[in-house]
Amino acid sequence: QVTLRESGPALVKPTQTLTLTCTFSGFSLNTSGMCVSWIRQPPGKALEWLALIDWDDDKNYNTSLKTRLTISKDTSKNQVVLTMTNMDPVDTATYYCARISSSGYYYFDYWGQGTLVTVSS
Amino acid sequence: EIVLTQSPATLSLSPGERATLSCRASQSVSSYLAWYQQKPGQAPRLLIYDASNRATGIPARFSGSGSGTDFTLTISSLEPEDFAVYYCQQRSNWPTWTFGQGTKVEIK
Repeated sequence: QVTLRESGPALVKPTQTLTLTCTFSGFSLNTSGMCVSWIRQPPGKALEWLALIDWDDDKNYNTSLKTRLTISKDTSKNQVVLTMTNMDPVDTATYYCARISSSGYYYFDYWGQGTLVTVSS
Repeated sequence: EIVLTQSPATLSLSPGERATLSCRASQSVSSYLAWYQQKPGQAPRLLIYDASNRATGIPARFSGSGSGTDFTLTISSLEPEDFAVYYCQQRSNWPTWTFGQGTKVEIK
């Protein structure tokens, strides 16, 4: 059974760095074709893809946020970590991690439940 | 960046009616398009992949069509649990992805 769960602070102050952790089970990020991505959704708004890391440790970022994002993985812990620097109130959103795999035809086939991050002083 | 434009923004229908949702891409995405359903307080769920293939466990009343720049999600007969927001998403320009802005299907 594939599961993903996001964890991190619910509240961060402007200019701070956000660190989110995605802990997953039911698959290995060492498996060829496996990827984990981060996606966010401001309240009442659309989904926005942020970053991806794959089985080969290749990383890709949303070009408009690239300078602020870092994604990494710890395969021994089955975790993927996203850091976002210089947080602003417009970054208030629910942050999801999701899996991409060959068995899911390279779409987001499993998602975490999301974690709401509020940016406020 | 490939922009996906969904229409209409809101669709007001009654249970049992047919829903037709549109997604238009700013450039060709071939058939690399998916549809997701999102209910309040929940994560999105993959419904359709590669434009016309139902994901595992998705009822047959959901169907997708299209290629290139124009895509359609059809729900043949709306069930009460189908009232939700639907997003299209492209993976044509791997490894970056974009989503449409969503269509809300609400009860009339």
